[in-house]
Amino acid sequence: NAGVTQTPKFQVLKTGQSMTLQCAQDMNHNSMYWYRQDPGMGLRLIYYSASEGTTDKGEVPNGYNVSRLNKREFSLRLESAAPSQTSVYFCASSERWDSPLHFGNGTRLTVT
Amino acid sequence: RKEVEQDPGPFNVPEGATVAFNCTYSNSASQSFFWYRQDCRKEPKLLMSVYSSGNEDGRFTAQLNRASQYISLLIRDSKLSDSATYLCVPGFGSARQLTFGSGTQLTVLP
Repeated sequence: NAGVTQTPKFQVLKTGQSMTLQCAQDMNHNSMYWYRQDPGMGLRLIYYSASEGTTDKGEVPNGYNVSRLNKREFSLRLESAAPSQTSVYFCASSERWDSPLHFGNGTRLTVT
Repeated sequence: RKEVEQDPGPFNVPEGATVAFNCTYSNSASQSFFWYRQDCRKEPKLLMSVYSSGNEDGRFTAQLNRASQYISLLIRDSKLSDSATYLCVPGFGSARQLTFGSGTQLTVLP
């Protein structure tokens, strides 16, 4: 029972490079989310997808794009990475917006 | 006022102690409440959901006070393994409104 799977676990980018963080869930959840967590801070919502086919901005969407590829998969793309995007990124899913979130293991991204 | 406020701690308590954290929220329309625990640099994991006045699961009790807009988490008979950061999440309206508090750090000492 995999739950929420994120890849990669670690990534180092140079400023200006692009990359896509992958996330997949096998719980048939409707909603999926991308959060970032900076040292000593709470989780901040980047983008979310309330259901397949929809995506919406969260609190800190600038510099990111997302794709809800199908019900299982929700990817996060950094088109031109900046040092300010150095963070730990968590993908999560839930059955509905008011259901508990299930998190992936996180991607630790460093932009130099 | 912040949407979610938690005492950051740290709370350092001996094994076997009872400890309580409070979380205040600003939006009176909040309908669901969650407590998560997060170990250092790992993903948050759900500890408890609260949809009415409270919830209890073993050594853990959550109490909701809607009038004063806070939710508390009580841990009885603390274990070393309870050492973690505890995150409060009130939610309402839509996925966008799920707001994480910055967490309360607990260290249980032998």
